[in-house]
Amino acid sequence: EIVLTQSPATLSLSPGERATLSCRASQSVSSYLAWYQQKPGQAPRLLIYDASNRATGIPARFSGSGSGTDFTLTISSLEPEDFAVYYCQQRSNWPPSWTFGQGTKVEIK
Amino acid sequence: QVQLQESGPGLVKPSGTLSLTCAVSGGSISSSNWWSWIRQPPGKGLEWIGEIYHSGSTNYNPSLKSRVTISVDKSKNQFSLKLSSVTAADTAVYYCARTLYSSGWYVGYWGQGTLVTVSS
Repeated sequence: EIVLTQSPATLSLSPGERATLSCRASQSVSSYLAWYQQKPGQAPRLLIYDASNRATGIPARFSGSGSGTDFTLTISSLEPEDFAVYYCQQRSNWPPSWTFGQGTKVEIK
Repeated sequence: QVQLQESGPGLVKPSGTLSLTCAVSGGSISSSNWWSWIRQPPGKGLEWIGEIYHSGSTNYNPSLKSRVTISVDKSKNQFSLKLSSVTAADTAVYYCARTLYSSGWYVGYWGQGTLVTVSS
């Protein structure tokens, strides 16, 4: 089973600052990695897929990079609505299985 | 726009069976997608439970496999989850979801989630 480890657990930043979130896989997932945003009381929302592609309607301040085992989600300039929890996710083809990272909370400093 | 809606009891007794249904609207469950169940214990992260294709093919989380059954009802455009022998550790918000395929598989659509509490 592939394990995804996110860091840091919590990121305390001010609006307008740059946020850099990390996701490390226990073995290579090529570029098959996604990022989700979850706000309190809401379902997660897909932000980035295939490591670097923004999902429909996602603002350009969100970007993803990486391949193999190391991935990064960057929010170039935090807006008030970006303070939330972010999860990375991958799906293995064999055996078929999904795993999520434990999440990074981006909170207002 | 695909929409997913979970339904089922919000309270289940220990050792009982949790049963949830996900109604799909705005799209056909027979489309080329996997349909998943994902859960989130209060204050914790996301855990994949399993998935089903419209053909009935299923994949389950190995840690839950012995207790999980996911089925599909194409006539009603819905799919269902049964989790047996529940304990307090199964208390969670349960989400149904539809996958998105690009080069990999991701969750493109989520239901709003339903809280299921296991308690006597």
